[in-house]
Amino acid sequence: DAGVTQSPTHLIKTRGQHVTLRCSPISGHKSVSWYQQVLGQGPQFIFQYYEKEERGRGNFPDRFSARQFPNYSSELNVNALLLGDSALYLCASSLGPGRETQYFGPGTRLLVL
Amino acid sequence: QKEVEQDPGPLSVPEGAIVSLNCTYSNSAFQYFMWYRQYSRKGPELLMYTYSSGNKEDGRFTAQVDKSSKYISLFIRDSQPSDSATYLCAMSARETSGSRLTFGEGTQLTVNP
Repeated sequence: DAGVTQSPTHLIKTRGQHVTLRCSPISGHKSVSWYQQVLGQGPQFIFQYYEKEERGRGNFPDRFSARQFPNYSSELNVNALLLGDSALYLCASSLGPGRETQYFGPGTRLLVL
Repeated sequence: QKEVEQDPGPLSVPEGAIVSLNCTYSNSAFQYFMWYRQYSRKGPELLMYTYSSGNKEDGRFTAQVDKSSKYISLFIRDSQPSDSATYLCAMSARETSGSRLTFGEGTQLTVNP
């Protein structure tokens, strides 16, 4: 069975640009969460979506937004990129709220110059 | 103060050693405890999942949770070079609207042949 897939794998942007990252969850999973992992740190929670609705939001600025589609795939958008947004962006899928086990994709490595 | 504290290491052991990895936490609402393994430049891979206090064993891996002390551990028996990776502890509280994982910063482990 396919695991969580993310695209693109790598991305280079310049300050001020916008980026869209994509995630497809494990088949049968209806919840998608996004995390940011800066080098040398643990992942930090950004968003969780379930049934196309936002169910949780971490301590990130409004430049970060996300959405979930009817097929449960998801997009993470980041506007007005800053150098500090350079990180590995991870998508995790789970069956739904209250089902705590989350499975991660390989991540998208974003470099902002 | 961070909600989850984890010694970043690095930790270097000879092949066959028993490895002990630990995390402490401050949020008494945490009920679900996980250990993830992350190879360099990859997404985290779920190793162990435990609900509330107690022990759980899976092959060479044993997870322990002591909620009274707010302390969790992962033991690796007969460690192998292939166990060389960063180990992340993660935990969450039951929320009706969703669930977010709070991670430690990870412990970098090297098992030397």
